Amino acid sequence: AQTVTQSQPEMSVQEAETVTLSCTYDTSESDYYLFWYKQPPSRQMILVIRQEAYKQQNATENRFSVNFQKAAKSFSLKISDSQLGDAAMYFCAEAGTASKLTFGTGTRLQVTL
Amino acid sequence: GAGVSQSPRYKVAKRGQDVALRCDPISGHVSLFWYQQALGQGPEFLTYFQNEAQLDKSGLPSDRFFAERPEGSVSTLKIQRTQQEDSAVYLCASSSDRVGQPQHFGDGTRLSIL
Repeated sequence: AQTVTQSQPEMSVQEAETVTLSCTYDTSESDYYLFWYKQPPSRQMILVIRQEAYKQQNATENRFSVNFQKAAKSFSLKISDSQLGDAAMYFCAEAGTASKLTFGTGTRLQVTL
Repeated sequence: GAGVSQSPRYKVAKRGQDVALRCDPISGHVSLFWYQQALGQGPEFLTYFQNEAQLDKSGLPSDRFFAERPEGSVSTLKIQRTQQEDSAVYLCASSSDRVGQPQHFGDGTRLSIL
């Protein structure tokens, strides 16, 4: 069975600073995909970034990047130049060949002035 | 459509009533997923369709939960004889057929059982 662990229930960052959200996972599959989703109060899950496990290069999307450590089963999200609009719940998720997502419990990110 | 559409956005029902939640996926998306998100938790998988075929229903918590997608597009999640523990946000997501493609989520239906 797949499990995803987010050990930081809440994080805070000042505007324009950098913050890193942690995620570890466990899976028995050799081929899998990792995701970070953002959920604002409006409830809609918004894809932030996606990583294919077979790729060694860390994914980046503008101000968002990941540190993917496959041997350690770690998948952290770095947000650079934080903005007020980044405040939300962030969920780490894993999907194997069955495609269904297994989510962590989330990290609430606060952005302060 | 432009995105995944779910209705209703809010549903309040009395314990014991039946409810039906609707999901209209992104046009052309073959895969459709339902998740249940309890307050303060991450979403948990309920069931998965590929076109009209329900390929995985391992996450449905009891036989009171039933989902269908008869024409391979719109899906309905039905909960019979609702219980208080069914109170949650129900999220629908769709994706293209390829494994590992990102899922696109709707806004969810918040179900409250009184």
